[in-house]
Amino acid sequence: AQSVTQPDIHITVSEGASLELRCNYSYGATPYLFWYVQSPGQGLQLLLKYFSGDTLVQGIKGFEAEFKRSQSSFNLRKPSVHWSDAAEYFCAVSSGGSYIPTFGRGTSLIVHP
Amino acid sequence: NAGVTQTPKFQVLKTGQSMTLQCAQDMNHNSMYWYRQDPGMGLRLIYYSASEGTTDKGEVPNGYNVSRLNKREFSLRLESAAPSQTSVYFCASSGLAGGPKDDEQYFGPGTRLTVT
Repeated sequence: AQSVTQPDIHITVSEGASLELRCNYSYGATPYLFWYVQSPGQGLQLLLKYFSGDTLVQGIKGFEAEFKRSQSSFNLRKPSVHWSDAAEYFCAVSSGGSYIPTFGRGTSLIVHP
Repeated sequence: NAGVTQTPKFQVLKTGQSMTLQCAQDMNHNSMYWYRQDPGMGLRLIYYSASEGTTDKGEVPNGYNVSRLNKREFSLRLESAAPSQTSVYFCASSGLAGGPKDDEQYFGPGTRLTVT
């Protein structure tokens, strides 16, 4: 069965600093990978996704993620964090056409001014 | 194009009361889902509907029932609410015509339910 681990429950960064949120997955074949963001009191919004091809994918709001098959990872990065990036971030994996992604437990990003 | 809509936004119930959470999507998606979100637990799938006319249990179905009324609408019913069902409930949809984009989910704004 597929699974997703987000090792960091909370991450605190200063505004303007770089950010990396970790995501490790467990799945036998090539996975479909997603990062979602949830602002306080809101639903989840898709940031970016990886299906195939270039392992570095660009998303909305200046985020990017890199798929590393050898490490079973799909870490989310941003070179310079803005205060508005404070939110909960969820990594998800699916097997393609299964209709049911598996979500990680989320990482809460706190941004200090 | 409203995406995924949910009603109500907030609800307070007493133990034993029943209620139905409504969800509708206007993206012609095939699949719809109900999740609950609790602190530290992430998202847990309650029920899903892969296509109109089908429903299946997810990870935490006990105490809930669902109805896929048509392609657009997917409701979640609590027959006898319990304090353990206090949570934020999200509806999501996915899937157009096959392929990897079927797994990309679109979420509603959530319903915040408190059971006292």
